[in-house]
Amino acid sequence: EPEVTQTPSHQVTQMGQEVILRCVPISNHLYFYWYRQILGQKVEFLVSFYNNEISEKSEIFDDQFSVERPDGSNFTLKIRSTKLEDSAMYFCASSGTEGKTQYFGPGTRLLVL
Amino acid sequence: QQQVKQSPQSLIVQKGGISIINCAYENTAFDYFPWYQQFPGKGPALLIAIRPDVSEKKEGRFTISFNKSAKQFSLHIMDSQPGDSATYFCAASHTGGGNKLTFGTGTQLKVEL
Repeated sequence: EPEVTQTPSHQVTQMGQEVILRCVPISNHLYFYWYRQILGQKVEFLVSFYNNEISEKSEIFDDQFSVERPDGSNFTLKIRSTKLEDSAMYFCASSGTEGKTQYFGPGTRLLVL
Repeated sequence: QQQVKQSPQSLIVQKGGISIINCAYENTAFDYFPWYQQFPGKGPALLIAIRPDVSEKKEGRFTISFNKSAKQFSLHIMDSQPGDSATYFCAASHTGGGNKLTFGTGTQLKVEL
């Protein structure tokens, strides 16, 4: 069964450093998303991406964040200068042509020290 | 208006019992209501979803009941099993919002033997 994969599973970084989180969505999907979940809290939307551009972003997704689909398979989230409060689980999700049913990856646990 | 309110925060059910989790929303533009199951350290996994043109959807032991006029929907888990012990999130999205998912705060379900 196709699934969304994410790398790395864990990332520890120093405050102010750049991190890139990687995702491989399900192969024939067209819509891509990033969400985050601070420990013990609900899942929060960050950004959606369709047709090689951002279709919607949340207030959390400020100028420190960017997304890219550098090739036909990968979808990345970059945080330019990490802050302590960026520590969270980051989930990538993708959906097919109907754009509704979203399948989530296993997540990347980011810890900013 | 974008919030989805979920209750209870935690729930303990005996094996074989019925688990009921409730959600309420305000935004009448929402047109898709999925439920996700999440185990510790894992990504949310889609369980079942409903659109507002039906009042109930059943898949195996899982049933969504939807009340459009009350703007409420609920998840019923019949014959609850210890393996169902997880956190359950309701969510909602609408096409005009880029299909981003707005999640509820989650319910920690524990099924006891």
